[in-house]
Amino acid sequence: DAMVIQNPRYQVTQFGKPVTLSCSQTLNHNVMYWYQQKSSQAPKLLFHYYDKDFNNEADTPDNFQSRRPNTSFCFLDIRSPGLGDAAMYLCATSRVTGLTNEKLFFGSGTQLSVL
Amino acid sequence: AQKVTQAQTEISVVEKEDVTLDCVYETRDTTYYLFWYKQPPSGELVFLIRRNSFDEQNEISGRYSWNFQKSTSSFNFTITASQVVDSAVYFCALSEANRDDKIIFGKGTRLHILP
Repeated sequence: DAMVIQNPRYQVTQFGKPVTLSCSQTLNHNVMYWYQQKSSQAPKLLFHYYDKDFNNEADTPDNFQSRRPNTSFCFLDIRSPGLGDAAMYLCATSRVTGLTNEKLFFGSGTQLSVL
Repeated sequence: AQKVTQAQTEISVVEKEDVTLDCVYETRDTTYYLFWYKQPPSGELVFLIRRNSFDEQNEISGRYSWNFQKSTSSFNFTITASQVVDSAVYFCALSEANRDDKIIFGKGTRLHILP
């Protein structure tokens, strides 16, 4: 059974049209992450939530926002997608105790296309 | 600052050969965690191993083995008797204890196992 679920698997949007990607988890993990992965590149951390605390990476564009209304759900909002935002977006969760990060559990990703 | 370097961008070997994927890391912390993930063509990242900085004992899991050497800041991954199903992109990653909620990935090594 999938433990980190991302919907949809493929998303097509138009240049400048806001889009939201969703992620849910059944693991009750306290940390949720959003990574952007472009073709043949490493996953790049955009931001993450440690419980309700939002942690933004310094080089994440303002165009990207995130919401975590509860433990199970996390959303990635792209306010005005550009062609350069076309990528695979990976959601991950982890149980972090303050002493250790066990490991990341990844969803299957949402492939975003911008037309 | 944390950094992970995977110098091999792409490797091709013939099935049944052994292959080693290199990973070199940089961190100022004395306590940190190292990971390897596999990303098959389906896209989902699959956890392989997590190792903390105090445990330099090499680990073997079936055909997989890991060689952790703090003296050279390396955490190399060897596949013995490779199989076509091992074809994937492999990522090495690092998490520092003082920021244990943040995991940074290397650029990955694309491994082709030829029949």
